[in-house]
Amino acid sequence: GAVVSQHPSWVICKSGTSVKIECRSLDFQATTMFWYRQFPKQSLMLMATSNEGSKATYEQGVEKDKFLINHASLTLSTLTVTSAHPEDSSFYICSASIPGDLYNEQFFGPGTRLTVL
Amino acid sequence: AQSVTQLGSHVSVSEGALVLLRCNYSSSVPPYLFWYVQYPNQGLQLLLKYTSAATLVKGINGFEAEFKKSETSFHLTKPSAHMSDAAEYFCVLTGTASKLTFGTGTRLQVTL
Repeated sequence: GAVVSQHPSWVICKSGTSVKIECRSLDFQATTMFWYRQFPKQSLMLMATSNEGSKATYEQGVEKDKFLINHASLTLSTLTVTSAHPEDSSFYICSASIPGDLYNEQFFGPGTRLTVL
Repeated sequence: AQSVTQLGSHVSVSEGALVLLRCNYSSSVPPYLFWYVQYPNQGLQLLLKYTSAATLVKGINGFEAEFKKSETSFHLTKPSAHMSDAAEYFCVLTGTASKLTFGTGTRLQVTL
């Protein structure tokens, strides 16, 4: 099946620093990737849709200057949390869909646990 | 507008007992429905999916779900629970858009 990886799996950083999270589709090309945020014991919240070669589409309420998304190739999307603060601490999950898939099935990465001190 | 409702944020069953996780949906177009499982500090793993080919869908780890259009339901079942089934389960809907609509999740606890 389609595999999506994320790196790092966990990261701890100081307040005010920036953190980059990578999302890779390992065995397929993904023109579209998605970034989610998950708070403890809650469902996933879509942050943005990342399209290869174009600007990401952010959901309402998500600060695009704080959460920078780059989708420079068909297998890699990155999420950079700029000037991170403790309230940005969360579990971030990416997913990717196979181009042309009729059912819009998404394949999820293992997630990245971000802790901002 | 699309929506997914999972009844029961927490379900507890004994090992060997039937597992039933409820999911109801609302969609203005024919839906595609998925059940995902999430173990602690991990991503989501697909259990099964409904794509209109068959109303009874069998998935991994002995799980299955039945699509009932008249009841707008897609409940997840497993005849006999194992301790390893303890996890968070999400019912997910897609329609014409590429975005997914998530249910709020059901935490399954399996006791001895």
